[in-house]
Amino acid sequence: GAVVSQHPSWVICKSGTSVKIECRSLDFQATTMFWYRQFPKQSLMLMATSNEGSKATYEQGVEKDKFLINHASLTLSTLTVTSAHPEDSSFYICSAGGGSPYEQYFGPGTRLTVT
Amino acid sequence: DAKTTQPPSMDCAEGRAANLPCNHSTISGNEYVYWYRQIHSQGPQYIIHGLKNNETNEMASLIITEDRKSSTLILPHATLRDTAVYYCIVRETGTYKYIFGTGTRLKVLA
Repeated sequence: GAVVSQHPSWVICKSGTSVKIECRSLDFQATTMFWYRQFPKQSLMLMATSNEGSKATYEQGVEKDKFLINHASLTLSTLTVTSAHPEDSSFYICSAGGGSPYEQYFGPGTRLTVT
Repeated sequence: DAKTTQPPSMDCAEGRAANLPCNHSTISGNEYVYWYRQIHSQGPQYIIHGLKNNETNEMASLIITEDRKSSTLILPHATLRDTAVYYCIVRETGTYKYIFGTGTRLKVLA
């Protein structure tokens, strides 16, 4: 299957600062990328869908001004958590879609801890 | 909301077949069923998918009922490394979008 990477794999930041997470599809062109968050012992919750070159579509209840998503190329999407707070601490996972029939390939995840 | 329901947890003896059920009673005719698994603190790993027919690959088999309202993932010879949360997903028609349900936590016992 296709390979998706995320960077960093973990990050610790102070409350009030911003953090950027990168998601790259290494061996295929991802027309669509997804961002999920996962709290301990819970399922993945879809945050937003981004298509290359256009604005992301956010799920209900997800603040678009807090979670900035950029999908500038077919191989890179970024998620920026702005003014992070401890409640934003979570496991953030991206996935990329571009094949048939509509499979998603997931990255390894980024663990964010806000102190 | 998730379109699938799964039992929250299951145990399986090592070397035995693990049969993981999934109900998707509202599935539409052209919606695929996907199975992924997530080992602790990793991203989900693709296992298998199907539309109508039963499918088999090197990891598992997928049995879909004739009315397509339920399916079963079969791991033929479970190993300790198969301990994970298994997610059954019905993809929204015409999109790449997945909505994850709660999944089944499979524990393979030595």
